[in-house]
Amino acid sequence: GAVVSQHPSRVICKSGTSVKIECRSLDFQATTMFWYRQFPKKSLMLMATSNEGSKATYEQGVEKDKFLINHASLTLSTLTVTSAHPEDSSFYICSARRSGTGNTIYFGEGSWLTVV
Amino acid sequence: AQSVSQHNHHVILSEAASLELGCNYSYGGTVNLFWYVQYPGQHLQLLLKYFSGDPLVKGIKGFEAEFIKSKFSFNLRKPSVHWSDAAEYFCAGGAWSSGSARQLTFGSGTQLTVLP
Repeated sequence: GAVVSQHPSRVICKSGTSVKIECRSLDFQATTMFWYRQFPKKSLMLMATSNEGSKATYEQGVEKDKFLINHASLTLSTLTVTSAHPEDSSFYICSARRSGTGNTIYFGEGSWLTVV
Repeated sequence: AQSVSQHNHHVILSEAASLELGCNYSYGGTVNLFWYVQYPGQHLQLLLKYFSGDPLVKGIKGFEAEFIKSKFSFNLRKPSVHWSDAAEYFCAGGAWSSGSARQLTFGSGTQLTVLP
């Protein structure tokens, strides 16, 4: 089956530093990947749509200069949280759309970010 | 605007009881609907999906969902729940045409508690 992997699964960083989260589609090519943020006991909030070879499309209210998204290849998208603050602490989830029959979207395992 | 709503935020059932979780969507045109499950501490897993054809969709672990276009609903059902079904369930919808990328819109989630 289709597998999407995120790394790291957990990361702790100091306030003011930047941290990068990777999202890889392991056995399929994904021209489109999505980044979500999940708050405790809340649903997923779409942050941005990442398109291979072009700029990401950010949802309203998401700071594109703070959450940098790079979709450099058909199997890799990265989310960089720049100048992290404690309020950025959250669970970040990526997903990838598998082209072809169904266009099903598969999710990564998620990455817990704690900013101290 | 596209939207997906889940009205039951928390459902408590006894083991072996039947389950039905509600999901309503608001979309124009063709819609693709999904149910995802998130077990404690784990990532989202796809239970089932509907794109077209038979409105009764069978998924993994004995789950099924019925697409009722006239009611804009896609309720999740299981005849007999097991304690291992305790999790958070998310309904999601997306509308995309060939060649275009669309994100999934998630419902707010339903927490299922199963009592012994």
